[in-house]
Amino acid sequence: KNEVEQSPQNLTAQEGEFITINCSYSVGISALHWLQQHPGGGIVSLFMLSSGKKKHGRLIATINIQEKHSSLHITASHPRDSAVYICAVRNYGGSQGNLIFGKGTKLSVKP
Amino acid sequence: EPEVTQTPSHQVTQMGQEVILRCVPISNHLYFYWYRQILGQKVEFLVSFYNNEISEKSEIFDDQFSVERPDGSNFTLKIRSTKLEDSAMYFCASSPGLFYEQYFGPGTRLTVT
Repeated sequence: KNEVEQSPQNLTAQEGEFITINCSYSVGISALHWLQQHPGGGIVSLFMLSSGKKKHGRLIATINIQEKHSSLHITASHPRDSAVYICAVRNYGGSQGNLIFGKGTKLSVKP
Repeated sequence: EPEVTQTPSHQVTQMGQEVILRCVPISNHLYFYWYRQILGQKVEFLVSFYNNEISEKSEIFDDQFSVERPDGSNFTLKIRSTKLEDSAMYFCASSPGLFYEQYFGPGTRLTVT
């Protein structure tokens, strides 16, 4: 069974700061997802990656398959980035796409 | 932009009652999922559905749960006899293929009293 660990659990930043959220997992995967959960509860998919790096606006996600580790970076953070960021993995082989979730990192960006 | 929708947004029910949570996945998607999140806990997989049948289910998805795609658009989760511990946010998701991003609905908050 894959264990997904995220750090930190909580993160407070000042507007404009560069933010890094980390995710590690215990068993080889076929894909890793970064998700954003808004205060109201809704979940939005940010990235799905299986290797390398992806960038979308101020968000960058990287993954190191050998080290079983991924990072989500936010450049020039803004109060509207305040949310819970969740890492989720899909195991390699067998699973029909179901995801195993981390506990999330609660980010608060202060103006 | 197409989106997954869920109804109702909040459902309150008494213990032992049956509830049906409804989802309308994105129209050309082929894979459908139900997840739940108990307050303060992580999101957990319940069941995946493809080609009109369950393709995988978790230990949580016991005989009290069932899923159905009654027509070409709706995807439902039924809980036959609700328990207090079924209180959670239930998310539906869909994806166009097995190795694609999943798109989540806004969730249904189920409160069992």
